[in-house]
Amino acid sequence: SAVISQKPSRDICQRGTSLTIQCQVDSQVTMMFWYRQQPGQSLTLIATANQGSEATYESGFVIDKFPISRPNLTFSTLTVSNMSPEDSSIYLCSVGHLDNEKLFFGSGTQLSVL
Amino acid sequence: GQQLNQSPQSMFIQEGEDVSMNCTSSSIFNTWLWYKQDPGEGPVLLIALYKAGELTSNGRLTAQFGITRKDSFLNISASIPSDVGIYFCAGREEGAQKLVFGQGTRLTINP
Repeated sequence: SAVISQKPSRDICQRGTSLTIQCQVDSQVTMMFWYRQQPGQSLTLIATANQGSEATYESGFVIDKFPISRPNLTFSTLTVSNMSPEDSSIYLCSVGHLDNEKLFFGSGTQLSVL
Repeated sequence: GQQLNQSPQSMFIQEGEDVSMNCTSSSIFNTWLWYKQDPGEGPVLLIALYKAGELTSNGRLTAQFGITRKDSFLNISASIPSDVGIYFCAGREEGAQKLVFGQGTRLTINP
């Protein structure tokens, strides 16, 4: 499995600010995804990060709120914009290969918005 | 969207007991994955299943892909304290890239 480094591991932010989360993989991967896990809940897919093009967002998530970059096959960022307390969650980067059904996760970013 | 029904939501057992949890879907899946999540960590992949009827083990863990392709179960034998955590099932419909997750089973073990 790939080694996935996610930064920061946690942060406490003020309402109205933005936070960019980075995901670095130690090998090239086909697929990169961003998930949100609200307190005590399961994982919800935010978007698929597409290399060199705009991310594909799931219903309920929009680019203005969660802009995503993926400049190459090993790196992606997720920005949580204009944060409110409702954005307090764990944000998880996950990776996989198109011909391999397995999906692997980073250790997550614990975000608290005051 | 697609929902997975995972049960039970929580389990309180004695150390050494066997554990069983399952997941069902309303549509046919071609992949089932089982994950474990410890506090402050991301989910870790335990077992992956790709064919109906497939039975796969990973140490004390055994998982099966249901023959109807709409369900899967995970068994843990002779539980130990480090088995404590939240277990998630996840599945993928045929032709879909998106992985759908169950609501999780929180396992607590009394020593």
